[in-house]
Amino acid sequence: GENVEQHPSTLSVQEGDSAVIKCTYSDSASNYFPWYKQELGKRPQLIIDIRSNVGEKKDQRIAVTLNKTAKHFSLHITETQPEDSAVYFCAASRETSGSRLTFGEGTQLTVNP
Amino acid sequence: SAVISQKPSRDICQRGTSLTIQCQVDSQVTMMFWYRQQPGQSLTLIATANQGSEATYESGFVIDKFPISRPNLTFSTLTVSNMSPEDSSIYLCSVSHAGSSTDTQYFGPGTRLTVL
Repeated sequence: GENVEQHPSTLSVQEGDSAVIKCTYSDSASNYFPWYKQELGKRPQLIIDIRSNVGEKKDQRIAVTLNKTAKHFSLHITETQPEDSAVYFCAASRETSGSRLTFGEGTQLTVNP
Repeated sequence: SAVISQKPSRDICQRGTSLTIQCQVDSQVTMMFWYRQQPGQSLTLIATANQGSEATYESGFVIDKFPISRPNLTFSTLTVSNMSPEDSSIYLCSVSHAGSSTDTQYFGPGTRLTVL
């Protein structure tokens, strides 16, 4: 089955700096890669996703890049703000799995004012 | 995106008892899933709830321990049976529409279960 590894497990940055979280996956057939943000006591919220037919996707301060050859994808957050502090999870799935997601272990991002 | 609700939001239960968690969606969805999130951990898929048929369980999860129902396209239940303290977790349902461009998954608010 799919295995997703996520690094780093914790990340602390100063407000205004950029943050990068990286994930690798094992199943070359995976073709859908979402990122979720989970604030303490809240549900995971989808913040951005990418499919295997594109290499990069941006949404304001957030971007995701995908390298299919190397089987890794990354989340980039620019101009970080204290409200970006949360746990971020990457995930992977493939169409033939019926949308079943395999999650990474999560990254605790802290943005210091 | 669909509005997803879960009941109860939290519960404290005694070991050996069972708890049924409900997941309700405000629109018809193709796929419904149940996840477990142990304290400070990531999300682990328990099973896919199939409408009108038996759920599909992931490795390490069995129907006797986590029976699931899905009577229609907007509702599912997960029962945690014969509970032990190790079952203390957050249980989340998620929904999506299967398909290459619409399989984005959205999560319910979760049910926080504590087993004493």
